[in-house]
Amino acid sequence: NAGVTQTPKFRVLKTGQSMTLLCAQDMNHEYMYWYRQDPGMGLRLIHYSVGEGTTAKGEVPDGYNVSRLKKQNFLLGLESAAPSQTSVYFCASSYRFDGYRGYTFGSGTRLTVV
Amino acid sequence: KQEVTQIPAALSVPEGENLVLNCSFTDSAIYNLQWFRQDPGKGLTSLLLIQSSQREQTSGRLNASLDKSSGRSTLYIAASQPGDSATYLCAVSFRNYGGSQGNLIFGKGTKLSVKP
Repeated sequence: NAGVTQTPKFRVLKTGQSMTLLCAQDMNHEYMYWYRQDPGMGLRLIHYSVGEGTTAKGEVPDGYNVSRLKKQNFLLGLESAAPSQTSVYFCASSYRFDGYRGYTFGSGTRLTVV
Repeated sequence: KQEVTQIPAALSVPEGENLVLNCSFTDSAIYNLQWFRQDPGKGLTSLLLIQSSQREQTSGRLNASLDKSSGRSTLYIAASQPGDSATYLCAVSFRNYGGSQGNLIFGKGTKLSVKP
C-alpha cells in the first residue's frame, strides 16, 4: 500500500541508550517531517526535510538528529535517550512545502525511555 | 506566534445527532487547513483538506468549512455513529511560521464519543 511506513512500532529504551527511527515513503514526496505527540501538548514538529540531503530544525529539535540520505527515507536518531523523550513519534510527508494535496502520516512509533 | 485551538476538548453525543467541531487559528495567512481523525493508539487519517482559496469541502457525512478572515474552521458530522468515536485534529499550514514555510501546526484535538 502506498503511504508512509514507520519502523519500529514500539520500543523501550534505557536512559542513555541510542536508537534510530526509520520513516519510508513511496509517494515521491519532497518534504518529510518528524513530529512527537504528547498528552496535553498536541503534535509538535521536531525536524523536517525539504529534499534529499537537506534537513532543518522544527519546534522541539533538542536531543534529536536526522538524516535524509535518500529521498524516500527520513531517519530520526536519539543519541542518548532521556525519559523526557518518551512519546509517540509520527513521520509525515507532503508533495509540496505548502501541503498542497495534503500531508500523509505514518502509523507512529511508541517509544518509552526508562 | 501562530496557534491553533480546538473547542471543545471533549464531546459526547447520542447516536444519530448532527454535530459541529470547531477550530480557530490566529493568523489568516495560511496555505490550507486539514482535518484528521485519530483512533486510540493509532496514526492520523486525513479526512478533509481545504485550500486557502476554498470555502468548504465535503466527503460523505463530513463537511468542513473555512473562514480565513475570522480564523475559523468547522467540521460538521451528520447523523453521527458510534464508529465516529475518535479524536479529531485540526492542522493549519501557515505561510510564515518561525522563518520556515508551510509547517503544519496542530490543535490539541476534540475527543468525540458517540453513544449507541
